Amino acid sequence: GQSLEQPSEVTAVEGAIVQINCTYQTSGFYGLSWYQQHDGGAPTFLSYNALDGLEETGRFSSFLSRSDSYGYLLLQELQMKDSASYFCAVRDNYGQNFVFGPGTRLSVLP
Amino acid sequence: DGGITQSPKYLFRKEGQNVTLSCEQNLNHDAMYWYRQDPGQGLRLIYYSQIVNDFQKGDIAEGYSVSREKKESFPLTVTSAQKNPTAFYLCASKPRVTPQETQYFGPGTRLLVL
Repeated sequence: GQSLEQPSEVTAVEGAIVQINCTYQTSGFYGLSWYQQHDGGAPTFLSYNALDGLEETGRFSSFLSRSDSYGYLLLQELQMKDSASYFCAVRDNYGQNFVFGPGTRLSVLP
Repeated sequence: DGGITQSPKYLFRKEGQNVTLSCEQNLNHDAMYWYRQDPGQGLRLIYYSQIVNDFQKGDIAEGYSVSREKKESFPLTVTSAQKNPTAFYLCASKPRVTPQETQYFGPGTRLLVL
């Protein structure tokens, strides 16, 4: 089976930097994805890591360490609109089955 | 405009009734997925399909059924066997091969039991 763990909540102030961690246990591994979901909305893709290291996309960066089964999403220069839930997800190495983490709710304060 | 549409936005089900949620995509994607999301929770996979006329059970398939007769369409039926169907249902699609494993989600359907 596969399971992912994330902190349930994170709070930060505008302009700050926040890191959301994700640890996973999988029978196979095909990369770690990150999605953002605002209340009542659909998830939208943010970032993906197939190999170890840091991927940077604007204010968002994502990191992966396959040897530690660990990754994180880094959000810089936080804005109020970044208040949302963030999910990590892995794909089953043997198919197209995706498993999502429980999500981290980020609250950005003025 | 390309994208994924889901209908209806809200759906009410009576006890013992089967209801069908629609999911249509014009992105020419091969793979399609149905997820269930309960309040404050993550997404759980119900069913997925990689090609037409083929689909696989996800982690919580009991009480649900799907069909994939056309590449563009992947309807989900919530049967009377699903005793706790109240949730937010999300449909997603993905190209067969994509370097970033990106799934594209529809706007979702909220199912409520009367």
